[in-house]
Amino acid sequence: DGGITQSPKYLFRKEGQNVTLSCEQNLNHDAMYWYRQDPGQGLRLIYYSQIVNDFQKGDIAEGYSVSREKKESFPLTVTSAQKNPTAFYLCAGGQQGTGELFFGEGSRLTVL
Amino acid sequence: GQQLNQSPQSMFIQEGEDVSMNCTSSSIFNTWLWYKQDPGEGPVLLIALYKAGELTSNGRLTAQFGITRKDSFLNISASIPSDVGIYFCAGRANTNAGKSTFGDGTTLTVKP
Repeated sequence: DGGITQSPKYLFRKEGQNVTLSCEQNLNHDAMYWYRQDPGQGLRLIYYSQIVNDFQKGDIAEGYSVSREKKESFPLTVTSAQKNPTAFYLCAGGQQGTGELFFGEGSRLTVL
Repeated sequence: GQQLNQSPQSMFIQEGEDVSMNCTSSSIFNTWLWYKQDPGEGPVLLIALYKAGELTSNGRLTAQFGITRKDSFLNISASIPSDVGIYFCAGRANTNAGKSTFGDGTTLTVKP
């Protein structure tokens, strides 16, 4: 099986705790992305990385952090500074030239 | 930042009917993409458009890249129950270094 693998699919955390969502890909994509989705809304970009050891903030980066130590992996940490962390988080990979994105199945985070 | 207006927000149709949805932007895009998202899953790419005026089909789906490069539409012919889901448009400008902007989605319900 190949593609973009996100884990866990469901996650419950208490307020004030940091949470790390995993995203792994075996598609050899240069670029990887993290999006947040809230009910009835489109996808909002949190962070993206076009190359190993480099990443840029998206439109809603506050309260989140990422790393890109390996091409295959782009984990997202939701920190306690994120005021409203309950959401559906989507990781995607893609090649630079096309703009086409391949998404994982998502991770649903609920903060109690 | 760039914004996409996607309409309609939702559609309730009878099986067998045709469907049309569109996206407009205040700025120019060089790539338009259409995705479908099933409940609890990540979006899946349906059609990618790279040239103004381009008309592309994928089975019962047809999408066009507007001549002004500020709009795109997606048509679904002879809808079937498995067409149910959320359809997202996304636009990408070369100046955005790989970032795509997503519309808020059109939720399609097909009644058998």
